[in-house]
Amino acid sequence: ETGVTQSPTHLIKTRGQQVTLRCSSQSGHNTVSWYQQALGQGPQFIFQYYREEENGRGNFPPRFSGLQFPNYSSELNVNALELDDSALYLCASSYQETQYFGPGTRLLVL
Amino acid sequence: DQQVKQNSPSLSVQEGRISILNCDYTNSMFDYFLWYKKYPAEGPTFLISISSIKDKNEDGRFTVFLNKSAKHLSLHIVPSQPGDSAVYFCAASAQTGTYKYIFGTGTRLKVLA
Repeated sequence: ETGVTQSPTHLIKTRGQQVTLRCSSQSGHNTVSWYQQALGQGPQFIFQYYREEENGRGNFPPRFSGLQFPNYSSELNVNALELDDSALYLCASSYQETQYFGPGTRLLVL
Repeated sequence: DQQVKQNSPSLSVQEGRISILNCDYTNSMFDYFLWYKKYPAEGPTFLISISSIKDKNEDGRFTVFLNKSAKHLSLHIVPSQPGDSAVYFCAASAQTGTYKYIFGTGTRLKVLA
């Protein structure tokens, strides 16, 4: 049990729509990272938040954005969804040099 | 450009024997390496890590070896158990302590009873 939860577990959207995914971590985990895992691939780093500020970004377009709240919960927003955005989205919170992953949200874009 | 590569998509090993999972990387700036295990419908779980200043790190049945000159790391599981059956990802970071990891594509390990 990592203490990291994500909602929803599954989601179906159509191309062009917008989606918000949520992540909740344990108290004291002040760094949260988001990853996209396409089928048959490893997780790809999207961005990271530290104390509510973006702290690094991977090779993802600006339509991928995020927020971190004072209670260390976090959101990933994706605008103008494309078919290739279909993937498992993982959030990970970090504490004492260990990164704890949530179970992920599986997004399907039709 | 895949900076972290796991060239074996799958591996089958008999229970009790050694499992060896391999990982190659191309970025010489990587200074911290990790292995994660992933079961279906769960997020990856941290297994073991190694800093570039070491060449070996052990934790129970799990040992990670790092060969910096070859840009290669491996995970040894001895003895393998059926519960070890999962997808294993290696990951690397060029900024120790930042938690910004580059992952490989994973190796599916199946331990046969």
